[in-house]
Amino acid sequence: DADVTQTPRNRITKTGKRIMLECSQTKGHDRMYWYRQDPGLGLRLIYYSFDVKDINKGEISDGYSVSRQAQAKFSLSLESAIPNQTALYFCATSDYGTVNTGELFFGEGSRLTVL
Amino acid sequence: QQPVQSPQAVILREGEDAVINCSSSKALYSVHWYRQKHGEAPVFLMILLKGGEQKGHEKISASFNEKKQQSSLYLTASQLSYSGTYFCGTEFSQDKLIFGTGTRLQVFP
Repeated sequence: DADVTQTPRNRITKTGKRIMLECSQTKGHDRMYWYRQDPGLGLRLIYYSFDVKDINKGEISDGYSVSRQAQAKFSLSLESAIPNQTALYFCATSDYGTVNTGELFFGEGSRLTVL
Repeated sequence: QQPVQSPQAVILREGEDAVINCSSSKALYSVHWYRQKHGEAPVFLMILLKGGEQKGHEKISASFNEKKQQSSLYLTASQLSYSGTYFCGTEFSQDKLIFGTGTRLQVFP
């Protein structure tokens, strides 16, 4: 089983619908991130969280919200989806310590299409 | 501020070398390098911390010039398996990673 699991892997929805992308991890990391990938634009940070009570906006948070339900779970919501939110979304985790130095471990991605 | 990567694309024959550059306008704490193959998630290659230390991974190595806020990734004697998109990620402190737009590398036999 993957250490970082994203659901759903693929989703097609219509404009105006509410969508939630979920991420769970078994790595025991405190830090979790949501990135969006668009062709030619690289990976852009949407939100990140250092623990359940610590949520931070990233580069492109408008139109998105997140919830850190537990150390292992971090969900991304689109309250009212629009077509330019069509993209590939990645969840990632990291940790700092004697072994890890902040490298990101990515989930397999969730491809979202908004019609 | 998103780091700037160059070149945007590289085409190589097996055995040839390549260099990918990453530069930032702000002082950096660290630079990360990741490789993403088509249809897959990015995979961590290496991290370079403030101090200019050079790291290596197989025939892939990297350097970090703190004064210029630049990092370079060196791919030596490229193999078909090196094909993919390479991203640098920059940290200004130990909090979040901001990625460049990527360099697409294609290696042909």
